[in-house]
Amino acid sequence: GAVVSQHPSRVICKSGTSVKIECRSLDFQATTMFWYRQFPKQSLMLMATSNEGSKATYEQGVEKDKFLINHASLTLSTLTVTSAHPEDSSFYICSATTGGDYNEQFFGPGTRLTVL
Amino acid sequence: GQNIDQPTEMTATEGAIVQINCTYQTSGFNGLFWYQQHAGEAPTFLSYNVLDGLEEKGRFSSFLSRSKGYSYLLLKELQMKDSASYLCATMDSNYQLIWGAGTKLIIKP
Repeated sequence: GAVVSQHPSRVICKSGTSVKIECRSLDFQATTMFWYRQFPKQSLMLMATSNEGSKATYEQGVEKDKFLINHASLTLSTLTVTSAHPEDSSFYICSATTGGDYNEQFFGPGTRLTVL
Repeated sequence: GQNIDQPTEMTATEGAIVQINCTYQTSGFNGLFWYQQHAGEAPTFLSYNVLDGLEEKGRFSSFLSRSKGYSYLLLKELQMKDSASYLCATMDSNYQLIWGAGTKLIIKP
């Protein structure tokens, strides 16, 4: 149980285009979903926290107009990188929690974004 | 401030035992997690400690001392597939995870 999927797994796009990444909890309802970014050889950096039906809470330094997050249902959250630039190239990972005893986060497989 | 320290890299031999340490300073504490992350993949959950002591799960064990702000992950009977990064993360008073930079574990035959 507790499987989280992400789509696409890998995307290459031109500078200036927008990219949408989907995160789905397949066998549970996620009260909260998290979006992380990870640059090579660095740890996970939390970008934003989203709860279904409400606006996402962005971490300091993360532009909410550039990284649009929509959490339309208890099983789906999307991250849209608008007007992507090469410096946005990174590994984007979502996670979801059921809010259970551990508040354990279940991670999606990640999306490798390369902006040319 | 919030801070988590763990060694950047460790090397161990197949079949041996290795201990990866983690020290932390966080605002509020709702438990400590260890995750394993293979290169190019997302992290996978290994363990959770919220009370002092040792939690054993197969070849992996995790220890916590809240008074010392200290945890370790113990890996026994190391296998080549254990080569990965091991991430220590604490959950703060807002139930958000604060991540360490990770320890890259290299297993040699």
